[in-house]
Amino acid sequence: NAGVTQTPKFRVLKTGQSMTLLCAQDMNHEYMYWYRQDPGMGLRLIHYSVGEGTTAKGEVPDGYNVSRLKKQNFLLGLESAAPSQTSVYFCASRDRGTGELFFGEGSRLTVL
Amino acid sequence: EDKVVQSPLSLVVHEGDTVTLNCSYEVTNFRSLLWYKQEKKAPTFLFMLTSSGIEKKSGRLSSILDKKELFSILNITATQTGDSAIYLCAVGPISGTYKYIFGTGTRLKVLA
Repeated sequence: NAGVTQTPKFRVLKTGQSMTLLCAQDMNHEYMYWYRQDPGMGLRLIHYSVGEGTTAKGEVPDGYNVSRLKKQNFLLGLESAAPSQTSVYFCASRDRGTGELFFGEGSRLTVL
Repeated sequence: EDKVVQSPLSLVVHEGDTVTLNCSYEVTNFRSLLWYKQEKKAPTFLFMLTSSGIEKKSGRLSSILDKKELFSILNITATQTGDSAIYLCAVGPISGTYKYIFGTGTRLKVLA
């Protein structure tokens, strides 16, 4: 029972490099979310998607792009990484019936 | 601006104590409030509250919502070291979007 899977789990980047985080869910959920978690800041919404082919901005979208080409996958991209993007990133998907959010185990990104 | 505020930010108690965690919110068109427990990795779902005054219970944990005063509490009785975690409160989906807004969390440490 995989649920929500994030890859990679850890990554170290140099300033200016690019990378993509992949989120995959096997629960057939329509809604998917990317959050970042920093000490003392809780979870802040970066981008979200309400279905295949759609994306929308959250609270802190600058410096990130997303794509939802397939219903089960939600990609988060950093085109030119900055040290301020050092964080733990969580993907979540939402059960339309119950409204519950299901989270992946997180991806720890360090930008030097 | 929609916001969720949790208090206290951190708490240290001894095993057997009872704790009360608070979550207040200001959002337009409230739909639901969710509580999550976060240990080392992914937040795990505890409760979803939609109606005032109806207590939800799961073992030693319980939660209740007050939609008039715009807050919820999470109670943990007879605390154990395994209750040590960050407890997150979220409100959503925000009207007109499908966003969920999280508070900063309460970090609970239970000492043996």
